[in-house]
Amino acid sequence: GNSVTQMEGPVTLSEEAFLTINCTYTATGYPSLFWYVQYPGEGLQLLLKATKADDKGSNKGFEATYRKETTSFHLEKGSVQVSDSAVYFCALSGSQAGTALIFGKGTTLSVSS
Amino acid sequence: NAGVTQTPKFQVLKTGQSMTLQCAQDMNHEYMSWYRQDPGMGLRLIHYSVGAGITDQGEVPNGYNVSRSTTEDFPLRLLSAAPSQTSVYFCASSSRGATNEKLFFGSGTQLSVL
Repeated sequence: GNSVTQMEGPVTLSEEAFLTINCTYTATGYPSLFWYVQYPGEGLQLLLKATKADDKGSNKGFEATYRKETTSFHLEKGSVQVSDSAVYFCALSGSQAGTALIFGKGTTLSVSS
Repeated sequence: NAGVTQTPKFQVLKTGQSMTLQCAQDMNHEYMSWYRQDPGMGLRLIHYSVGAGITDQGEVPNGYNVSRSTTEDFPLRLLSAAPSQTSVYFCASSSRGATNEKLFFGSGTQLSVL
């Protein structure tokens, strides 16, 4: 079945540093890929998504490119802010269309000023 | 805009007790699902529903029951709580399914089973 692996955290950065959170996947067919973010005390929110190879999802300065050749969907941001401190989840669609998402274990990002 | 509403926010149970976690959405979404979130495990799917009267099991369904009598509501029942069910539970919904549509999450229910 489909699965996703993302880098272990926590990731600790200073404000304005460059961020990369790695995500790789195993899948049959052509899944859609997602990054969700969870701020403290809240539910998850969709950050960005990509539905086919070479697509780039972007939102709030974050970007991720769907790389089929390396089965990756790494999250990047050029200059992080304290307000970006949160848990980030990589996810992909399941093997049965329209059913459920499969989430990674989450990566905690802490940004200090 | 209410979105996805979960109640209660916090609950403490004793082993063997039963309870229902409530989830309601006001967006007329067909798809609803329940996840549990545990440290180091990410989110794992418990049950999901693609419409009223239709439910199916996810990755970790044992010990949980669901029903979907209306489009708006998708309650999760624990018939006999166990300490292994201590977790944070999230309900989520989307308009057509989780794969190509944005999932809207509730704010979670933190459950402790003693």
